[in-house]
Amino acid sequence: DSGVTQTPKHLITATGQRVTLRCSPRSGDLSVYWYQQSLDQGLQFLIQYYNGEERAKGNILERFSAQQFPDLHSELNLSSLELGDSALYFCASSVGGQGYEQYFGPGTRLTVT
Amino acid sequence: QKEVEQDPGPLSVPEGAIVSLNCTYSNSAFQYFMWYRQYSRKGPELLMYTYSSGNKEDGRFTAQVDKSSKYISLFIRDSQPSDSATYLCATPRDFGTGTSLTVIP
Repeated sequence: DSGVTQTPKHLITATGQRVTLRCSPRSGDLSVYWYQQSLDQGLQFLIQYYNGEERAKGNILERFSAQQFPDLHSELNLSSLELGDSALYFCASSVGGQGYEQYFGPGTRLTVT
Repeated sequence: QKEVEQDPGPLSVPEGAIVSLNCTYSNSAFQYFMWYRQYSRKGPELLMYTYSSGNKEDGRFTAQVDKSSKYISLFIRDSQPSDSATYLCATPRDFGTGTSLTVIP
C-alpha cells in the first residue's frame, strides 16, 4: 500500500458526460501528479500540482481539468467524455516537486460507453 | 514526443536468470531516472531512482545510467516468478512504454 488513495475504483459513464476523479496524496507529500494509461498509449503524464499550484502540464486535453485543494487532495475533472477516454487514471504523489520519487495510487478505471 | 524509449518485449526467462532491461532517453539535461514495476494494471510501484550517472543497488536489483550514451538499465539477479510484471523506466513526468517480463519456474 503506497498511502495514496483514489476514488472511485471503477466508473462507467456515457459519452458526453462529466466525471470527477479524486486523489488523496501520502501524508506529507506536497505534489500530486495525474496520469492516463490506456492499452495502446502507455502511461501518459497529464498534469502536476505542487502545494496547490500547477507545476507542470503534459498531454492534457482541454476537456480535462484538475485542481489541488488546500488540504492537498486533488481532483481531475473529465468532461464531454468520448469513447477514447476509457482508460486507467492514476494519481501519484511525492514530497517535493521534482518528480523523481513518485508513489502511485491504485487507479480509477473509467469506461465510457 | 516520448522522452524515454523502451523495448516492449515481451521477455521470458527461466527462474534464477539475470535479467537486463534497457531504455534510452533523449534529453541530456535529465538528472533523475526511475524504474517502476507494474503488476497487471495495478498502480506502478517505485523500485529505485538514480541521480546522474553510475550504479545503484538494492537487493537483487541494480540500476545503471550511462549519460554518455543516454542509456538506462535495470538488472535483476536471481530472478523469481514473483518478478513477473511490466517494468517501466521513467524520467520525471515521462514513462517508457514498459517491458513485460515473465520468469518461468
